[in-house]
Amino acid sequence: GAGVSQTPSNKVTEKGKYVELRCDPISGHTALYWYRQSLGQGPEFLIYFQGTGAADDSGLPNDRFFAVRPEGSVSTLKIQRTERGDSAVYLCASSLTLTPYNEQFFGPGTRLTVL
Amino acid sequence: DAKTTQPNSMESNEEEPVHLPCNHSTISGTDYIHWYRQLPSQGPEYVIHGLTSNVNNRMASLAIAEDRKSSTLILHRATLRDAAVYYCILRDPTSGTYKYIFGTGTRLKVLA
Repeated sequence: GAGVSQTPSNKVTEKGKYVELRCDPISGHTALYWYRQSLGQGPEFLIYFQGTGAADDSGLPNDRFFAVRPEGSVSTLKIQRTERGDSAVYLCASSLTLTPYNEQFFGPGTRLTVL
Repeated sequence: DAKTTQPNSMESNEEEPVHLPCNHSTISGTDYIHWYRQLPSQGPEYVIHGLTSNVNNRMASLAIAEDRKSSTLILHRATLRDAAVYYCILRDPTSGTYKYIFGTGTRLKVLA
C-alpha cells in the first residue's frame, strides 16, 4: 500500500518568506510526527499529533514554527519568516496508534533550503 | 532527555555478521528500545524493537543486556544494501509523552 508521502520534495525559498510543508500519512494511522534533520545529524523531534490534537510540541524551536492536522489525517508544517538556519530536511512519520512499541513509518522528507 | 550512545562509525565485510552496540544507561523500566536505519537520501525505516528479551525478525536480531543499560543490533550477514546509519532510540522519559529522541547514530560501511 501507499506509504507516507511528503510534498514538495524540495523547497527553495528566500530568507523572510513563509513556507508550508505537507505530510500525507498512511491511511488509518492516528499518530503523526514531524522531525527536522540537519546534515550529519539524527532526526530532531519537533511535534507529534494524536488525531487532530498536538500531543507534544516541545520540539518546535520557536513561535515561527507551527503545525496543524485539522481532520486527523494530512498535516502541514508552517514556518514563518524563514531564516537560513531553518535549512534542513523535514521528515514526517506516522504510526497506527500510540503505544510504547509503536513502529513509525517515515516519509522521504522535504529538503528546505533558505537562501 | 533519554540519551543513547553509539559509535560514530563501523565497518564490516560483506556476508559477515555485524554487531552494532548502543548504551542507554538512563532507560526507564518500561521503555522499549527501538532501532531504525536510514539509507542515503531516504527517511529512516524501522528495524526492530525490544523490551527485555532478545528479539529476532527477518531483518535483524536484538540482544538486550540483563540490566537493560545496553543493547546490540545484530545483522547476521551484512550485505552492501545494509550500508546505512543505524539509530538506537528511546522514548523521552521526562516528557510523559511518546516523544522519541534520536542520537547521531552509527554509520555502517559494508566492504565488498
